[in-house]
Amino acid sequence: GAGVSQSPSNKVTEKGKDVELRCDPISGHTALYWYRQSLGQGLEFLIYFQGNSAPDKSGLPSDRFSAERTGGSVSTLTIQRTQQEDSAVYLCASSKNGYGYTFGSGTRLTIV
Amino acid sequence: GIQVEQSPPDLILQEGANSTLRCNFSDSVNNLQWFHQNPWGQLINLFYIPSGTKQNGRLSATTVATERYSLLYISSSQTTDSGVYFCAVESAGNTGKLIFGQGTTLQVKP
Repeated sequence: GAGVSQSPSNKVTEKGKDVELRCDPISGHTALYWYRQSLGQGLEFLIYFQGNSAPDKSGLPSDRFSAERTGGSVSTLTIQRTQQEDSAVYLCASSKNGYGYTFGSGTRLTIV
Repeated sequence: GIQVEQSPPDLILQEGANSTLRCNFSDSVNNLQWFHQNPWGQLINLFYIPSGTKQNGRLSATTVATERYSLLYISSSQTTDSGVYFCAVESAGNTGKLIFGQGTTLQVKP
């Protein structure tokens, strides 16, 4: 597509439930990145994909977080047994070989 | 890991004024990008500039890699320039990920 598409744009879920966030990168972009941004804060790196493999998962905060990418395209970020501290905006970006990231509009996740 | 420091943290300008935002980083980099996050949260890539100077309209950026800093210049500021400006770097170890600074929050008043 023309840009990076993320869904849903907003998600409110009860503490303890699982959530899935989706990112559809720009066609032909081999690299895909997940970040999260808490209110008024900078961006925290979560995970990076090159093709379908994830060379760097170092930013995932706990084993409740996982991500996958299939067909070198769509990626899903899954958070199991959500906690209130997981509330944040989750941002996805894609790039062609690391030059010039393009970000999606994000998913605002609220845990109640 | 690499550290990224941006200054100033906050900046208030009158429309038409010029400004310089600074980004210092603690290690050699092979990727440096500047982003603008508008008041609605959308992040826009302004420059990919691991070294040298680039210009795009009223914005320009310079990175002096040997001295580990980058500058973003905004000339003749407009109210639409308001938002948060982030510098992000990838260390020369080619980790494949950008590390973001805490940002400079800019408010341009009419």
